[in-house]
Amino acid sequence: GENVEQHPSTLSVQEGDSAVIKCTYSDSASNYFPWYKQELGKRPQLIIDIRSNVGEKKDQRIAVTLNKTAKHFSLHITETQPEDSAVYFCAASSQDSGYALNFGKGTSLLVTP
Amino acid sequence: EAGVAQSPRYKIIEKRQSVAFWCNPISGHATLYWYQQILGQGPKLLIQFQNNGVVDDSQLPKDRFSAERLKGVDSTLKIQPAKLEDSAVYLCASSQGQFIMNTEAFFGQGTRLTVV
Repeated sequence: GENVEQHPSTLSVQEGDSAVIKCTYSDSASNYFPWYKQELGKRPQLIIDIRSNVGEKKDQRIAVTLNKTAKHFSLHITETQPEDSAVYFCAASSQDSGYALNFGKGTSLLVTP
Repeated sequence: EAGVAQSPRYKIIEKRQSVAFWCNPISGHATLYWYQQILGQGPKLLIQFQNNGVVDDSQLPKDRFSAERLKGVDSTLKIQPAKLEDSAVYLCASSQGQFIMNTEAFFGQGTRLTVV
């Protein structure tokens, strides 16, 4: 089955700096890679996703890049703000897995003012 | 639109007792997932339904966990008997469909289970 590794497990940045979270996946058939943000005690919510037919996607301060050859994808947050503090999860899915999401272990991001 | 509804929000039980969780997905969503999220970890898939059929239950501990989705809408997840290591948040999620490309999975608030 799919195995998703996520690094780092914790990340602390100063407000205004950039944050990068990296994930690798094992199943070459995976073709959908969403990123979820989970604030303390709340549900995971999708913040951005990318499909295997594109290499990069941006949405305001958030971007995701995908390297299919190396089987890794990354989340980039620019101009970080304190409200970006949360746990971020990457995930991968494929038709073979019935499109069920396989999650990484999460990155706890702390943005200090 | 209404989100994924789950109940109860919190549950505390003693080990060896039984417990059931309920999920009502977003209207029209054919696919329903149950995930287990242990503190400090990512969600782990327990079972996936497409309408009222099981697509994947390979990671469901079938000796103690069971799930059903009658009529392809609401779903219940049951644990009997519970163990201490079952303490976790149980998240239900739904998405539009399985065979029409990957679509966003919407999560419920979850049920926090504590087994003592």
